Amino acid sequence: DAKTTQPPSMDCAEGRAANLPCNHSTISGNEYVYWYRQIHSQGPQYIIHGLKNNETNEMASLIITEDRKSSTLILPHATLRDTAVYYCIVRVATGNQFYFGTGTSLTVIP
Amino acid sequence: EAGVVQSPRYKIIEKKQPVAFWCNPISGHNTLYWYRQNLGQGPELLIRYENEEAVDDSQLPKDRFSAERLKGVDSTLKIQPAELGDSAVYLCASSPSGSKRDEQFFGPGTRLTVL
Repeated sequence: DAKTTQPPSMDCAEGRAANLPCNHSTISGNEYVYWYRQIHSQGPQYIIHGLKNNETNEMASLIITEDRKSSTLILPHATLRDTAVYYCIVRVATGNQFYFGTGTSLTVIP
Repeated sequence: EAGVVQSPRYKIIEKKQPVAFWCNPISGHNTLYWYRQNLGQGPELLIRYENEEAVDDSQLPKDRFSAERLKGVDSTLKIQPAELGDSAVYLCASSPSGSKRDEQFFGPGTRLTVL
């Protein structure tokens, strides 16, 4: 049970912002939202995570709705190297268990 | 700093044969994970170690899968005997204890093909 719902695929023009949505309507109050991405033939890579406030780092921004039932990962200026599968994960409160789901395959188009 | 190292990168075996995968986590990382990733799916946790203790192996098919992490550093995942359905990428990840981010660092994986 992945606990998150993501669109299977998205396209984005190079240089434009990529907005990847995620629904997690059953999230508990103490569960974090994590985003990882997996470039072809590599292991997943951490991007960002948050609890209820919006977060920004050098890779991306994470916008979490006030009711915490959904979130959006924003890549502000997508490049061809951002082509990957992006996983939205709700971290189980006890232990370090990550349920990856099937993710969103993002293709950045030149 | 070296990342998580896995070997081999690729393995092709016939069904009913045994196979083993090796993982060397990032130095100082106490937590180690083994995941299985089927084609088109996200990784699924098989087992998690805290140092040398397996603290979560509920998803490990114990009839044919085994794992060990002697001395709390390197780890080996074994399948005996392998079945056709075991074809997948086996990922190892590690994380430091007490990390505020709970970030997991993944290796490149071992792609297993069972014929």
